Amino acid sequence: NAGVMQNPRHLVRRRGQEARLRCSPMKGHSHVYWYRQLPEEGLKFMVYLQKENIIDESGMPKERFSAEFPKEGPSILRIQQVVRGDSAAYFCASSPERGAPLRHFGPGTRLTVL
Amino acid sequence: AQSVTQLDSQVPVFEEAPVELRCNYSSSVSVYLFWYVQYPNQGLQLLLKYLSGSTLVKGINGFEAEFNKSQTSFHLRKPSVHISDTAEYFCAVSDNWSGGGADGLTFGKGTHLIIQP
Repeated sequence: NAGVMQNPRHLVRRRGQEARLRCSPMKGHSHVYWYRQLPEEGLKFMVYLQKENIIDESGMPKERFSAEFPKEGPSILRIQQVVRGDSAAYFCASSPERGAPLRHFGPGTRLTVL
Repeated sequence: AQSVTQLDSQVPVFEEAPVELRCNYSSSVSVYLFWYVQYPNQGLQLLLKYLSGSTLVKGINGFEAEFNKSQTSFHLRKPSVHISDTAEYFCAVSDNWSGGGADGLTFGKGTHLIIQP
């Protein structure tokens, strides 16, 4: 039973480029959460999605960031026109149902903006 | 609103010595409590969890934690640490039911456990 998959594991972008981060939840999980980890910080919630729906995006920056979880395929976190401050580790987690306290985390994508 | 405080950002310990990593939380409702471990350049791995029942919870790699409701604490302990325990440890709290707030999972800032030979 494969766990949560994230790719790429490392991503380097120049300022102004776009970054696309992918997350495939565990089999049978239809709820996906994205978190950002800045250096020396804990994980900060960004967005919570269910298939084809954004349930809560209260942690997402208002501009340049978007997320989707289509009916088929992985969840995508998209960052347009990246800036150096976007450099961080982005983690995805999944759960089998809404409000489930136990989430399985992926290995993360480490984004570096040059 | 809930919050998690990990008082120590770094804890240096000699190999084979005991260790305690402190975690205090605040919440207006019943909670679930978790400890996650993050090894260098890796993702988060669940170490142990308290959902209900016995307040002493045993996890992987010889770690255990005790839920103390009166002190709102969930400290992590290990009687004898190994070099391989060097990692970042995160305490997290979740509402029993996140209701209107969909996420409901709040992390502490982490404690870096440094094992010295």
